[in-house]
Amino acid sequence: LAKTTQPISMDSYEGQEVNITCSHNNIATNDYITWYQQFPSQGPRFIIQGYKTKVTNEVASLFIPADRKSSTLSLPRVSLSDTAVYYCLVGDSWNYGQNFVFGPGTRLSVLP
Amino acid sequence: SQTIHQWPATLVQPVGSPLSLECTVEGTSNPNLYWYRQAAGRGLQLLFYSVGIGQISSEVPQNLSASRPQDRQFILSSKKLLLSDSGFYLCAWSPRVPEEDRNYGYTFGSGTRLTVV
Repeated sequence: LAKTTQPISMDSYEGQEVNITCSHNNIATNDYITWYQQFPSQGPRFIIQGYKTKVTNEVASLFIPADRKSSTLSLPRVSLSDTAVYYCLVGDSWNYGQNFVFGPGTRLSVLP
Repeated sequence: SQTIHQWPATLVQPVGSPLSLECTVEGTSNPNLYWYRQAAGRGLQLLFYSVGIGQISSEVPQNLSASRPQDRQFILSSKKLLLSDSGFYLCAWSPRVPEEDRNYGYTFGSGTRLTVV
């Protein structure tokens, strides 16, 4: 499974756009890229998933370059409630979850 | 729609006591099931995963065990708790076979905060 690398922490201010980049140099052909959000004392929550190019939903966008060796989660106009830990996972959907390791994630702090 | 239930939400147990945490999934069949543990301020550690009834894989040697007596039921147990077993325990499921137009990711339960005293 592809190993991922993310910044440990990031700070932002309310109303700004936040971009969190994840590196996954060893991504395999069948691997998808998925991002999760976790608040304290809650389970991680699915945010967005993609395979290539750009994916957008009601909460975020995911940008994946052609070589797929990295991906960027974009949160538009963050608010205080977006303060959380964000995890990037990469894996094959057919074996999704087996032997998955959640890294330390990126701790995003949104300041007023 | 699919839902995952995990209980209890919080638990305080003395050292040496047994443990049983239960997780059930509704609205899907043949899910992959997982138990994770998260120590305070740390990432998630995969403890066990299961691809079917009676099929359990352990990721780390520990004082815990898991069982899957039914397709959508996953149980985490211990015969004698240790102080180091304290943490936040999360159950999760993912689809065995991804379906078109749906995400292939995990869905997590609300977690159990276990404190061993």
